[in-house]
Amino acid sequence: NAGVTQTPKFRILKIGQSMTLQCTQDMNHNYMYWYRQDPGMGLKLIYYSVGAGITDKGEVPNGYNVSRSTTEDFPLRLELAAPSQTSVYFCASLGGDTEAFFGQGTRLTVV
Amino acid sequence: DAKTTQPTSMDCAEGRAANLPCNHSTISGNEYVYWYRQIHSQGPQYIIHGLKNNETNEMASLIITEDRKSSTLILPHATLRDTAVYYCIVRVYGGSQGNLIFGKGTKLSVKP
Repeated sequence: NAGVTQTPKFRILKIGQSMTLQCTQDMNHNYMYWYRQDPGMGLKLIYYSVGAGITDKGEVPNGYNVSRSTTEDFPLRLELAAPSQTSVYFCASLGGDTEAFFGQGTRLTVV
Repeated sequence: DAKTTQPTSMDCAEGRAANLPCNHSTISGNEYVYWYRQIHSQGPQYIIHGLKNNETNEMASLIITEDRKSSTLILPHATLRDTAVYYCIVRVYGGSQGNLIFGKGTKLSVKP
């Protein structure tokens, strides 16, 4: 039981490049979330999903896309990276009656 | 927006109890209060949750006021390793409500 796994742990992107942040969970949780955390700030919800095939916008969705084709995976896509997207990204999953489990984060720098 | 308000920062002496307050004046009858903490740059970690009764586990105690408009997380004997940002969240337990919004949290500094 690995919990929530995020890859990669670190990445440097050039402006305009695209990438996908991977997130997978092995707890059969329905709910999954993507957050970003800027230095010294709290977590901001980007997108979330309440089950396979269902996604919804959070507080700061602009510049990102997600998909949820399986219960286990919830990838986050950056199409045209911008310096403002430099941040630490956290993925989380939650069962209906449990607490949320978080991955260890992906540190992204856009230069 | 987050449904909770917390002090930005607090200090606590090592070995003393740390009492972290949270206001959630618009909480609904079916919403629980959850507490998480984030140590340095790690992913947040669950601490405790409750509806209206006081709760205790191996990490902390949660005291919820009778009107449920505020709560206090108590770390009974704070250690240096408890230095972290503590987040108070309200959400429906086991419900279909999807979003999970974090506020700015309280930065707790435990000092020797």
